[in-house]
Amino acid sequence: GAVVSQHPSWVICKSGTSVKIECRSLDFQATTMFWYRQFPKQSLMLMATSNEGSKATYEQGVEKDKFLINHASLTLSTLTVTSAHPEDSSFYICSARDTTGGIYEQYFGPGTRLTVT
Amino acid sequence: AQKITQTQPGMFVQEKEAVTLDCTYDTSDPSYGLFWYKQPSSGEMIFLIYQGSYDQQNATEGRYSLNFQKARKSANLVISASQLGDSAMYFCAMREGRTGNQFYFGTGTSLTVIP
Repeated sequence: GAVVSQHPSWVICKSGTSVKIECRSLDFQATTMFWYRQFPKQSLMLMATSNEGSKATYEQGVEKDKFLINHASLTLSTLTVTSAHPEDSSFYICSARDTTGGIYEQYFGPGTRLTVT
Repeated sequence: AQKITQTQPGMFVQEKEAVTLDCTYDTSDPSYGLFWYKQPSSGEMIFLIYQGSYDQQNATEGRYSLNFQKARKSANLVISASQLGDSAMYFCAMREGRTGNQFYFGTGTSLTVIP
């Protein structure tokens, strides 16, 4: 099956610094990628839809200036958490959409655990 | 209204027994897809099974089967012959439209398999 990777798998940063998370589709091209956030014991919350070559679409309540998304190529999308604060600590998961299949499957990355101290 | 409802926050099952995880959905779109994912403690979302709204037969993938009752808008996951490695969170999800982007996730069910 299709593989999506995320880097780093976990990161600890100090409050006020910025952190970049990468999401790559390894064996297929993804014109659309998605970024989710998951708090402990809760469901996935869609943050934004990342489209290759255009601006991301953010869900209501998600600060676009805080969570910068760049989808510069068909295999890479990045999420940058700017001026991170402890409340940004969470599990961030990306998914990539493979449009070559019949059901427009989304494949999830392994997630990145962010801890802001 | 919630798009996906999972009413069982936690479930226990004896090893080698079957277990059913409930999922109901709400949509007015005649075309939709239903998905089940497993999330172990590592956090990775593992795709288990898919059911399309126009599929005539219930989907099956190995020990996983989806009990699709369209009139009731339910898409329960049945895991047969439970194994200790099945202990994880299970999420039901829906995508509206054949090419829709957004996945709507339920709140999940934590399954514990007892030896």
